[in-house]
Amino acid sequence: GAGVSQSPSNKVTEKGKDVELRCDPISGHTALYWYRQSLGQGLEFLIYFQGNSAPDKSGLPSDRFSAERTGGSVSTLTIQRTQQEDSAVYLCASSLGSTRSNEQFFGPGTRLTVL
Amino acid sequence: DQQVKQNSPSLSVQEGRISILNCDYTNSMFDYFLWYKKYPAEGPTFLISISSIKDKNEDGRFTVFLNKSAKHLSLHIVPSQPGDSAVYFCAASARGSGTYKYIFGTGTRLKVLA
Repeated sequence: GAGVSQSPSNKVTEKGKDVELRCDPISGHTALYWYRQSLGQGLEFLIYFQGNSAPDKSGLPSDRFSAERTGGSVSTLTIQRTQQEDSAVYLCASSLGSTRSNEQFFGPGTRLTVL
Repeated sequence: DQQVKQNSPSLSVQEGRISILNCDYTNSMFDYFLWYKKYPAEGPTFLISISSIKDKNEDGRFTVFLNKSAKHLSLHIVPSQPGDSAVYFCAASARGSGTYKYIFGTGTRLKVLA
């Protein structure tokens, strides 16, 4: 069975450009999460989708960040007008549900470098 | 403000010996804790968890201890194996925060020497 996949694995962009990061969760998983890990930092929660409920966007650092999840499956994280401080590894995770017994399975991440 | 702290960025242990990874937290509302393991170029994988109603949880070679009064938890790996070499993240969640809002530490890189 396939795990969580993310694309691209690496992205280098120039400051001011927009980027889109993609996440394919495990089939059947209703919950999807985005995190990021900046250099020397822990994983920082960004946004959470659960089924058809409104997403929890409380972790998004600015209005340049947005995410959507189409058809309850694939998700894209968009960063507009990228800044150098956006450079980080962006990790996506999915789980069967959102209770504590539902393990979050992580993808390999997208390493974003903003020059 | 780091609510979950892993003060040791790295740790080296001889194969067969015990590895002890430490984690401190500041938020007394945290009541569920997890450890994740991460290999290079891979996503973190869940290792073990503990609820605040317990002070110990064991799974094979891995044991997590929770000291609520000290706001401290630790992961013990016995015996350590070279394949355990990875970065270990401690995470916590608070009552009423929603089960998905885990706060992660910065990680400890464990190296098990053969």
